[in-house]
Amino acid sequence: AQSVSQHNHHVILSEAASLELGCNYSYGGTVNLFWYVQYPGQHLQLLLKYFSGDPLVKGIKGFEAEFIKSKFSFNLRKPSVQWSDTAEYFCAVNAKGRRALTFGSGTRLQVQP
Amino acid sequence: DAGVIQSPRHEVTEMGQEVTLRCKPISGHDYLFWYRQTMMRGLELLIYFNNNVPIDDSGMPEDRFSAKMPNASFSTLKIQPSEPRDSAVYFCASSPPGGQGWVEQFFGPGTRLTVL
Repeated sequence: AQSVSQHNHHVILSEAASLELGCNYSYGGTVNLFWYVQYPGQHLQLLLKYFSGDPLVKGIKGFEAEFIKSKFSFNLRKPSVQWSDTAEYFCAVNAKGRRALTFGSGTRLQVQP
Repeated sequence: DAGVIQSPRHEVTEMGQEVTLRCKPISGHDYLFWYRQTMMRGLELLIYFNNNVPIDDSGMPEDRFSAKMPNASFSTLKIQPSEPRDSAVYFCASSPPGGQGWVEQFFGPGTRLTVL
């Protein structure tokens, strides 16, 4: 079975600080990887995804993530956060050919102005 | 495009009552998913459908939960009888055909269920 670990449950940063949120998955086969964001009071939205090719993927709002296969990791990064990035971030994975997503427990990011 | 529509947005009920949550997927999408979000367990998949047929219901917690998709534009998740531990936010998501699983899922706004 697949599992996803997000080690940072709550992160507090000041505006302009750099962000890196960890995500590790457990699955022996080929996977697709996703980061979703949930802004306060809103539904989940896709930030970015990886399914093949360049392991460094760029998403919306200046976010990027790097897939490191040897480490089973897909960390999310942003060089300079803004107050509007305050949200909960979820890493998710599915096995190739499968549609169902397995989500991590989420990381709550709080950006202080 | 209206996105995935869920109703009601909030539901408060008493233990033992039947609860029905509704979802309208995005037109043209042939996959529909039901997720539950709680503080303790995070976001977990309950069941998903492809072309109105349930594909995987292994996440449905017990027989009190049932889901149907009578047509391509409507799905229900029913809890009967409801219990306080069912209190959670229930999300519906849909995704279009094609791809190898990397196709994005589009989420609805969720239904916040409180069982007293």
